[in-house]
Amino acid sequence: QQQVKQSPQSLIVQKGGISIINCAYENTAFDYFPWYQQFPGKGPALLIAIRPDVSEKKEGRFTISFNKSAKQFSLHIMDSQPGDSATYFCAASDSSYKLIFGSGTRLLVRP
Amino acid sequence: DGGITQSPKYLFRKEGQNVTLSCEQNLNHDAMYWYRQDPGQGLRLIYYSQIVNDFQKGDIAEGYSVSREKKESFPLTVTSAQKNPTAFYLCASKADPSGANVLTFGAGSRLTVL
Repeated sequence: QQQVKQSPQSLIVQKGGISIINCAYENTAFDYFPWYQQFPGKGPALLIAIRPDVSEKKEGRFTISFNKSAKQFSLHIMDSQPGDSATYFCAASDSSYKLIFGSGTRLLVRP
Repeated sequence: DGGITQSPKYLFRKEGQNVTLSCEQNLNHDAMYWYRQDPGQGLRLIYYSQIVNDFQKGDIAEGYSVSREKKESFPLTVTSAQKNPTAFYLCASKADPSGANVLTFGAGSRLTVL
């Protein structure tokens, strides 16, 4: 019930392509869905977040798509760049203190 | 610059030794957290503190201890009771304990048990 399932585990995309990472959850009490980006040897940093009252949120090349009925959300990176190569974590939380993280996706964007 | 400072960045420990990881923040955030990161497992919550002199166990608190004597500081002790302590440890903070879970992370400390 508390899990957030993330896929794929790793992803290789050519420069200029679209990177898509998917997450699914079970707990319908979740009301906040952030994505974090982590570079090697660094801590994660908040990339973009969405609440379930909207189906899509876009910030630059990064878009979250949210499907409340399917309990799924995804991150799309348009025009992927080598500098986007990092590990991406989806997460979810309800009104409590706790943020539940997915297992992470390692993205490699080839030049 | 405001942020979270974790030290040391790398730490080696012999089996049976306790080690303490430091976490200091100058963001004036009330809530602080410790996460453990292992390959392919995401981030798992060890302990969190919403206010000075108060803290609660997370999902994997066994073998760990914390203190919160100052708002700025939330050190984590990895004790000899932790069966598999080799991991990347992340400290985080949040401005408002009751607000949205927007966490700011430190750069992490990598602990290796020899």
